Amino acid sequence: DGGITQSPKYLFRKEGQNVTLSCEQNLNHDAMYWYRQDPGQGLRLIYYSQIVNDFQKGDIAEGYSVSREKKESFPLTVTSAQKNPTAFYLCASSPISMGTEAFFGQGTRLTVV
Amino acid sequence: RKEVEQDPGPFNVPEGATVAFNCTYSNSASQSFFWYRQDCRKEPKLLMSVYSSGNEDGRFTAQLNRASQYISLLIRDSKLSDSATYLCVVSGSARQLTFGSGTQLTVLP
Repeated sequence: DGGITQSPKYLFRKEGQNVTLSCEQNLNHDAMYWYRQDPGQGLRLIYYSQIVNDFQKGDIAEGYSVSREKKESFPLTVTSAQKNPTAFYLCASSPISMGTEAFFGQGTRLTVV
Repeated sequence: RKEVEQDPGPFNVPEGATVAFNCTYSNSASQSFFWYRQDCRKEPKLLMSVYSSGNEDGRFTAQLNRASQYISLLIRDSKLSDSATYLCVVSGSARQLTFGSGTQLTVLP
């Protein structure tokens, strides 16, 4: 079945550690996105990529890094520079053409302990 | 001003009621518009796209007013299962999706 997979579902991190969240899609979509959602809040864009080996910062990129070495994969690293990383992280993908929906993974809940 | 703004909610309505949500967007070059539904602690899922002529899907009707830069969602005959957060989504010329902060709906028995 085609879809978008995020792992892990739950992640605990100690302060000062970097962690990497995985996002893989087999929908052959060109565009991929990372969003952060805080309790009771909407989605805020961290990074997005429209093509392999290229990505752009979103609204809240500080403290995060990404790579897009393969079309299918768009991992997000939460670095120690991100001061408040506890949140729900959502990865999405969409075809590059306009007027198309985005498909989301099930999300990763990151908690700093 | 936020790029996409929604009614703050929450909306608490009885079963069978009709409820409407509005959303405004600031970028007049926006090309595509959607309503997503998000259940508690789950990922958002597409509810419906919004077309210039307006469109209907069962109990749900979406409208787009480009001149006033707003989008609406009407839910008729509300069901308990409609309880969720409804997200307004706009796609601009850069093809990135911008989400509103969402409107929470609770349908009461």
